[in-house]
Amino acid sequence: GAVVSQHPSRVICKSGTSVKIECRSLDFQATTMFWYRQFPKQSLMLMATSNEGSKATYEQGVEKDKFLINHASLTLSTLTVTSAHPEDSSFYICSALVIPGGAFFGQGTRLTVV
Amino acid sequence: LAKTTQPISMDSYEGQEVNITCSHNNIATNDYITWYQQFPSQGPRFIIQGYKTKVTNEVASLFIPADRKSSTLSLPRVSLSDTAVYYCLVGVGNAGNMLTFGGGTRLMVKP
Repeated sequence: GAVVSQHPSRVICKSGTSVKIECRSLDFQATTMFWYRQFPKQSLMLMATSNEGSKATYEQGVEKDKFLINHASLTLSTLTVTSAHPEDSSFYICSALVIPGGAFFGQGTRLTVV
Repeated sequence: LAKTTQPISMDSYEGQEVNITCSHNNIATNDYITWYQQFPSQGPRFIIQGYKTKVTNEVASLFIPADRKSSTLSLPRVSLSDTAVYYCLVGVGNAGNMLTFGGGTRLMVKP
């Protein structure tokens, strides 16, 4: 299947700093990518839909100024958590859509804000 | 968006066949049904996808009745390493469809 690479897999940052997470489609072009967050023992929650060359579409309740998404090329989308706080600590996962075929997910990024 | 309903958890023993059923009563005509497996601290892994009837690959089978309002993931002869959360999703058939996760089914395989 298609490969989606997410980096870093784990990051620890200080409160108030910003963290960038990269999501790359390695062997295909992805017009649409998705960003999720997942808290322990819970399901994935969609944060935003990222479309190449246009602004991301955010889910209700997700702050667009805090979670900056850039999808400047067909193989790369980035999520930047700005001014991170401990409550932003979570598991962040990206996915890319392949049509037909379905969505393929990155390995996830464990963000810990201290 | 089609909402999915799955059992919260299931227990099984090594070597048994496991069937996990998902309800998706308002599935749209263009929607596909896709199942994913997720281990702790990892992204979901694609297992199988289907539109109707039966699909089989090297790891699982997917049964979809004619009305497509439900689907059943069948895992033959599970092992301890199949302990994971399994999610059924609908709605990847069209570009731009969002992928909304339901609660998933936590499968525990015991020795």
